[in-house]
Amino acid sequence: AQKVTQAQTEISVVEKEDVTLDCVYETRDTTYYLFWYKQPPSGELVFLIRRNSFDEQNEISGRYSWNFQKSTSSFNFTITASQVVDSAVYFCALSEEILWDSNYQLIWGAGTKLIIKP
Amino acid sequence: NAGVTQTPKFRVLKTGQSMTLLCAQDMNHEYMYWYRQDPGMGLRLIHYSVGEGTTAKGEVPDGYNVSRLKKQNFLLGLESAAPSQTSVYFCASGITYEQYFGPGTRLTVT
Repeated sequence: AQKVTQAQTEISVVEKEDVTLDCVYETRDTTYYLFWYKQPPSGELVFLIRRNSFDEQNEISGRYSWNFQKSTSSFNFTITASQVVDSAVYFCALSEEILWDSNYQLIWGAGTKLIIKP
Repeated sequence: NAGVTQTPKFRVLKTGQSMTLLCAQDMNHEYMYWYRQDPGMGLRLIHYSVGEGTTAKGEVPDGYNVSRLKKQNFLLGLESAAPSQTSVYFCASGITYEQYFGPGTRLTVT
């Protein structure tokens, strides 16, 4: 069954430390998409990245980087030199095609609450 | 463009009352979704729609009904609210594999 596991419920680090948020997924499909979203205390969902299953290149965007490894079914997210503004809940999600109606369904992890202390 | 908007932002209901949440999108997307988010959990899909006039059940559809009479609107109804429906509700619209989210509606049922 499709599943997304974020084993870290909460992480607390001091500002400027690097931090990695883990995401492990399970899927039967060969074509799928992986996402990371940020949910700050204000509650909205902020899209961070999308990666398709055929692209295993790591991605870097400023202080954010993502490591996609199909061999271990993981899509980990690293924040370098963390800042207080990075404090939020981060969700990993898996998108799979629902073949019977050509729709895609997002399967969400439970989220990791990241606390950055000044 | 406003993107995805949700009305209302907050609501308190008493057990047994009914209400409708409105989601509107101006991106001409075919797909629309309603999720609920409970503490310590990710989003769970309630219902979705792949086009005007069509709806389908998601993971947790019980106690909810939906309608998609116009392409840009997706309504979520609670006919008889229960405390277990206290949650934050997110609407999303999308194309194939990508979804765009509204700001959420915080609903409390007492």
